[in-house]
Amino acid sequence: GQQLNQSPQSMFIQEGEDVSMNCTSSSIFNTWLWYKQEPGEGPVLLIALYKAGELTSNGRLTAQFGITRKDSFLNISASIPSDVGIYFCAGVYNQGGKLIFGQGTELSVKP
Amino acid sequence: GAVVSQHPSRVICKSGTSVKIECRSLDFQATTMFWYRQFPKQSLMLMATSNEGSKATYEQGVEKDKFLINHASLTLSTLTVTSAHPEDSSFYICSAWASGSYNEQFFGPGTRLTVL
Repeated sequence: GQQLNQSPQSMFIQEGEDVSMNCTSSSIFNTWLWYKQEPGEGPVLLIALYKAGELTSNGRLTAQFGITRKDSFLNISASIPSDVGIYFCAGVYNQGGKLIFGQGTELSVKP
Repeated sequence: GAVVSQHPSRVICKSGTSVKIECRSLDFQATTMFWYRQFPKQSLMLMATSNEGSKATYEQGVEKDKFLINHASLTLSTLTVTSAHPEDSSFYICSAWASGSYNEQFFGPGTRLTVL
C-alpha cells in the first residue's frame, strides 16, 4: 500500500538532546497526525494538524503542517528516556478516511 | 482522548482453527473502524475499512473470505481470521474514527496472534 516517506528511520540520542523527524508525500493531505507506539501496544495520538502552516505543541512536542500540505515535522525537545518508542506520521485525505502511514522513526534515548 | 479496546490481547491457536478479535469503542460511537496488520519493525498496513451496517471494504491483496469483518453496532467491530495458518501470525490493531471529531483516529492496544 501507499506510504509516506518518513525520516530518519532510527535515531540514537543522549538524554536532554532535541529530536527532529519529518514526513513527505507526493500528494497533499488535509490532516497530518503524529503517533507514538511502544512495544506490544497500539499507536497513541500525540498531535493532530488540520491547517497548512499550522504549528501545534503538546508539552515538549511540537509539530507543523507544511505549507504545501505535502509534509510535516515533529520535534521533541529535551528528550527523556520515556520518549523511547516508534513515532509514526500519518496523513488523511478526507474526513473519516483511512490513514496513510509513514515507515516510522525508532527513537532510542541513552540516559 | 477516546478509548478503544481490543480483546483478546494475545491468542495462540492451532493451524486450521478460526480466531475472532473484537474491537470496541468504549466512550464514543464509531461509524467507521479500521483493521491493520503490523509485522515486527514495520509500519501499520491497512487491511480493511469497516462501516457500521454495511460490508467492509478490503485493501488490495487482502482476502475477504479469510479475514471476515463484521461491524454490527456503532461500538463493536470484529475480525475473524478463518482457517488460520502460521503466516497469519501478526499483530492486529483496530482503530476507530469518532463521529463528529474532525479527523482523529484512536487505536486499540492490539492483539498478538500466534498460529502454531
